[in-house]
Amino acid sequence: DAKTTQPTSMDCAEGRAANLPCNHSTISGNEYVYWYRQIHSQGPQYIIHGLKNNETNEMASLIITEDRKSSTLILPHATLRDTAVYYCIVKAAGNKLTFGGGTRVLVKP
Amino acid sequence: GAGVSQSPSNKVTEKGKDVELRCDPISGHTALYWYRQSLGQGLEFLIYFQGNSAPDKSGLPSDRFSAERTGGSVSTLTIQRTQQEDSAVYLCASSLSGIQGMYEQYFGPGTRLTVT
Repeated sequence: DAKTTQPTSMDCAEGRAANLPCNHSTISGNEYVYWYRQIHSQGPQYIIHGLKNNETNEMASLIITEDRKSSTLILPHATLRDTAVYYCIVKAAGNKLTFGGGTRVLVKP
Repeated sequence: GAGVSQSPSNKVTEKGKDVELRCDPISGHTALYWYRQSLGQGLEFLIYFQGNSAPDKSGLPSDRFSAERTGGSVSTLTIQRTQQEDSAVYLCASSLSGIQGMYEQYFGPGTRLTVT
């Protein structure tokens, strides 16, 4: 599975959009981009995934560049409960999830 | 509906003892995964069950670790002769199907294992 690079941490103001970048320049054609998050002391939580088209669900939007070498997770209106570590994973059909360091997001009032 | 549940939520055991961790996946999910997460670390894959197929045990760190899944539902992870380095949060996840690898995995709250 392709490697991903994310910023170590970022702050976001409550009520504002949080834009979380992820680089995956070695992604191959059959690999999807997944986003999970982990709130302190809880199990990981699935957020969204996509192949090449932008995706939106009730939690977030996923914007994937045309060359698929990077993506951005958008939390449209961040709340204090969105404070968590956000993991960007690129994965094919191997099924194994491997989390790297992720981005530690702190939503501030 | 009910999510993935795990028990116990916390387990403290003495070095050398055996422990069993239980996972109840979401009803209807055919794929079940075990992971562990050490303090401040990422996720480490342990084992994967898909339907009636032979499990993928490639992530098990030693032969002290084993897991079974009875009736395609509940799974038990067993650690024999526990060591201090086994201390971690053990996470279980399930998904609709593992075959295509496209389905999201839903995680349980984890079991925090402390070996003293």
